[in-house]
Amino acid sequence: ETGVTQTPRHLVMGMTNKKSLKCEQHLGHNAMYWYKQSAKKPLELMFVYSLEERVENNSVPSRFSPECPNSSHLFLHLHTLQPEDSALYLCASSQDLRETQYFGPGTRLLVL
Amino acid sequence: KNEVEQSPQNLTAQEGEFITINCSYSVGISALHWLQQHPGGGIVSLFMLSSGKKKHGRLIATINIQEKHSSLHITASHPRDSAVYICAVALIQGAQKLVFGQGTRLTINP
Repeated sequence: ETGVTQTPRHLVMGMTNKKSLKCEQHLGHNAMYWYKQSAKKPLELMFVYSLEERVENNSVPSRFSPECPNSSHLFLHLHTLQPEDSALYLCASSQDLRETQYFGPGTRLLVL
Repeated sequence: KNEVEQSPQNLTAQEGEFITINCSYSVGISALHWLQQHPGGGIVSLFMLSSGKKKHGRLIATINIQEKHSSLHITASHPRDSAVYICAVALIQGAQKLVFGQGTRLTINP
């Protein structure tokens, strides 16, 4: 248990659906991250938030929309996804940028 | 060529063996991370280091900044060490961005 929770743990959605992934950290951290892990590929950073401000947007398609309403919560809103977006989506947090990151268990997403 | 390369990609060993996993990188970094990912996906941060050597239990991580190389060693390996080990580097510019290696899948047989 790392202190970072993610819901749902598994999600199946059609290409026309809209869904949201939720991440919550109970560590009092100031920075939060979204990562994507596709089969046979290294982890890829998607978004970074520090003190609720987005500081990194790693050329992610607009069908992925992050939201950070406060320092404890991070959302990833999904709409009109493609089958190639099927992957494990991991959230992480750290005390500040450049500090050790603590990862959540991930949401395994399947887009049909 | 990836900015972070790990070797080997897969490693199978017997319980008790000394394990070494290597990571080479081609960019300027402010720190290097070693992570462990178990089946099911959960990731645990093992080490963050920018120079020298760190030890935690049976795990040892070393880094040589001049050679742009790091190693993760496991002494007296155990089946519960079976996991994917991932090397990641924090770039000097934009140090919040981690660039990941492809991972090394380690299997320890009893």
